[in-house]
Amino acid sequence: AQKITQTQPGMFVQEKEAVTLDCTYDTSDPSYGLFWYKQPSSGEMIFLIYQGSYDQQNATEGRYSLNFQKARKSANLVISASQLGDSAMYFCAMRGDNTNAGKSTFGDGTTLTVKP
Amino acid sequence: NAGVTQTPKFQVLKTGQSMTLQCAQDMNHNSMYWYRQDPGMGLRLIYYSASEGTTDKGEVPNGYNVSRLNKREFSLRLESAAPSQTSVYFCASSEVGPAGVTGELFFGEGSRLTVL
Repeated sequence: AQKITQTQPGMFVQEKEAVTLDCTYDTSDPSYGLFWYKQPSSGEMIFLIYQGSYDQQNATEGRYSLNFQKARKSANLVISASQLGDSAMYFCAMRGDNTNAGKSTFGDGTTLTVKP
Repeated sequence: NAGVTQTPKFQVLKTGQSMTLQCAQDMNHNSMYWYRQDPGMGLRLIYYSASEGTTDKGEVPNGYNVSRLNKREFSLRLESAAPSQTSVYFCASSEVGPAGVTGELFFGEGSRLTVL
């Protein structure tokens, strides 16, 4: 089994500031992948960033970085220099590579609002 | 490049009616998925297909059936719709890379289903 927990239902951030969205996970698989997706109010799901469980360095993609702490089972998303267009729902997800191979499990999401 | 295409985008059913949601991807992905998203919640896996000819149950399979028609197409059928199946349904696909590791999900635009 695998589980994702996002404890922040809603977050606010001032434009141009950085914000961290929390994600903790649990899995029985020794090897796994962690993902973040963005869902704007229009409803589509957009892939943001990926971290493999054996990757030595934290993943970065432009203004997005993933703060991966394996021992704590956390995979927090950091958005730097927030923009108004970052206002959306953000989902953390994981995929196991063994017993949970192919199944991506999602958290309940965090709604981020960027204030001008 | 269309990516993942779902039809219909909107549907209203009466309790007990049946319908099929269609999904096709043009990215030559092996794996395809059906998720449902209830208001304010994350995505829950209904069924997935790791490759052509195989299907497996996800977290919430009751009341649904699927068919992996070929590598491109993966349909979801509601045999006797119930109000509890009112939701937004997302089809997704993903690559399977080296060692069977699944990559990020590519999503369709979603299908909003209301069961009265």
